Amino acid sequence: EAQVTQNPRYLITVTGKKLTVTCSQNMNHEYMSWYRQDPGLGLRQIYYSMNVEVTDKGDVPEGYKVSRKEKRNFPLILESPSPNQTSLYFCASSLTQGYSGANVLTFGAGSRLTVL
Amino acid sequence: GQNIDQPTEMTATEGAIVQINCTYQTSGFNGLFWYQQHAGEAPTFLSYNVLDGLEEKGRFSSFLSRSKGYSYLLLKELQMKDSASYLCAVRNAGNMLTFGGGTRLMVKP
Repeated sequence: EAQVTQNPRYLITVTGKKLTVTCSQNMNHEYMSWYRQDPGLGLRQIYYSMNVEVTDKGDVPEGYKVSRKEKRNFPLILESPSPNQTSLYFCASSLTQGYSGANVLTFGAGSRLTVL
Repeated sequence: GQNIDQPTEMTATEGAIVQINCTYQTSGFNGLFWYQQHAGEAPTFLSYNVLDGLEEKGRFSSFLSRSKGYSYLLLKELQMKDSASYLCAVRNAGNMLTFGGGTRLMVKP
């Protein structure tokens, strides 16, 4: 089944304790992206990657890191989490980033993170 | 920058028709998407418009006017399972996709 898989789905952690949210897709997609979703603010892009070893900042990159060493994986790293990073996180992928109706984003199930 | 506006909440009755509007201001335009998101779940793709006019897909239709920076999603024969948030997203000239805040639709019996 074609899908984007995120782990963990739920996590409660404490301020300053490094954590990684993994994201993997099995569709051979070039483009991958991380979003956070907060009430009233919609989906905001954190980082994105157009292909292996190519990453770039989105709208809200502060406090996050990413890497794209393999095409299928795009982990999100919080080096020193803070309470304002409490949010619902989504990983998404598409065939490419280009402008085409075929480039529909497929989202993972989401990871709900709470930082105390 | 980009600005996308849609109503925060709407309520409609089962079996009725509802129209969810989205207005946008963007630096160039390369398409508009509508996604459906049930509470606690991932957004799923509904429709894509890049040319002016109406795209129909079963009970759902989406309309675009590029000159007005306006789109709407039309849901017919509403069902209880249509209760969800509907997200409007616009792709700009640089191929960056920006999401609106979403419209939470509640369908009542």
